[in-house]
Amino acid sequence: GQQLNQSPQSMFIQEGEDVSMNCTSSSIFNTWLWYKQDPGEGPVLLIALYKAGELTSNGRLTAQFGITRKDSFLNISASIPSDVGIYFCAGQDFGNEKLTFGTGTRLTIIP
Amino acid sequence: SQTIHQWPATLVQPVGSPLSLECTVEGTSNPNLYWYRQAAGRGLQLLFYSVGIGQISSEVPQNLSASRPQDRQFILSSKKLLLSDSGFYLCAWSRRPLDTQYFGPGTRLTVL
Repeated sequence: GQQLNQSPQSMFIQEGEDVSMNCTSSSIFNTWLWYKQDPGEGPVLLIALYKAGELTSNGRLTAQFGITRKDSFLNISASIPSDVGIYFCAGQDFGNEKLTFGTGTRLTIIP
Repeated sequence: SQTIHQWPATLVQPVGSPLSLECTVEGTSNPNLYWYRQAAGRGLQLLFYSVGIGQISSEVPQNLSASRPQDRQFILSSKKLLLSDSGFYLCAWSRRPLDTQYFGPGTRLTVL
């Protein structure tokens, strides 16, 4: 089955720093999604990507759909305390109702 | 706008007891519905999905079952809970099979 490797597993940064995380897949996806999950809550969709090479922004967040269709990147600029949480990538291939989720990147901001 | 509800928010149950978790969606019709489980510090594992009333697909063999008695209602059940059933259960919906999934607030289940 498909596997998504998400890295890094955790990040400890200072407020104001930029953040980068990525997901790689063993096979091709047609849609890449990035979610953020706060403790004790359900994941919230941040950005959806539907085309290879697509670069999409949502405020301070920018995500890219890799040209090979096997990877995606999420960048957060000028991090703030509310960025703390777990970020998940998810991939979906054509004709499949199911999402494959990455293992998550836990972001912690050091005071 | 669409909203998704899950009930209860938290649940503590003894081993061997039954389970019923409910998920309801408002503001849309004929959604695709999904049940996920998330173990502590882990990613999301798809348990069941449904494309319509009475239509359930199971992803992993387990102690759980799902039902969809109404268009916007999805229920996760068990006849006898195991310790390994503990976790955070998330319901999600999408407009169509290939559309983006939106998640509910989750139910935290602890089996003692």
